[in-house]
Amino acid sequence: GAVVSQHPSWVICKSGTSVKIECRSLDFQATTMFWYRQFPKQSLMLMATSNEGSKATYEQGVEKDKFLINHASLTLSTLTVTSAHPEDSSFYICSASRWGTSGGTDTQYFGPGTRLTVL
Amino acid sequence: EDKVVQSPLSLVVHEGDTVTLNCSYEVTNFRSLLWYKQEKKAPTFLFMLTSSGIEKKSGRLSSILDKKELFSILNITATQTGDSAIYLCAVDLNTGNQFYFGTGTSLTVIP
Repeated sequence: GAVVSQHPSWVICKSGTSVKIECRSLDFQATTMFWYRQFPKQSLMLMATSNEGSKATYEQGVEKDKFLINHASLTLSTLTVTSAHPEDSSFYICSASRWGTSGGTDTQYFGPGTRLTVL
Repeated sequence: EDKVVQSPLSLVVHEGDTVTLNCSYEVTNFRSLLWYKQEKKAPTFLFMLTSSGIEKKSGRLSSILDKKELFSILNITATQTGDSAIYLCAVDLNTGNQFYFGTGTSLTVIP
């Protein structure tokens, strides 16, 4: 159980276009989803926290108008990179958690990632 | 400012060696520390540590947390080439289940 999928796995686009990345929890309901980006040979950087039915919370330094997040249902969150530029090229990974009733840490389950290349 | 730092940044060992990876943190509202292994794509969960001094073990991997000295170690014994990966530690800050990842340690095991 606890499978998270992402689509597409790889996308190449022209500068100035927008790209949408989907993150789905396949076998559980995810009250919270997270979006990360990862540059080559670097760690994961949290971009935003997405709660179903409410606005996403962005980390400092992440432009919310550039990276639009929608968490429309308990199994789907989308990240749209608007007016993409070459510097947005990166590996984008989502994760999902099932909020535990204990109030403790809920393990995050990661999607396989989406590699975005902007030409 | 919250910080999660891993060391070493990279490591090359021979099969059969034992390695120790370090993760130190300076954060507010610490709740737990997690270890992940990342090969080609998504990180996979290894351990979650919340209490000091209690070792978690899974096969050749083990981990322990020291909340007084603010660090955790991940041990891998009898390393195999399949252990080659980036090992990430992350800290949960008790503020909404956000994880903040360390810098990562790239481990390469050569035959």
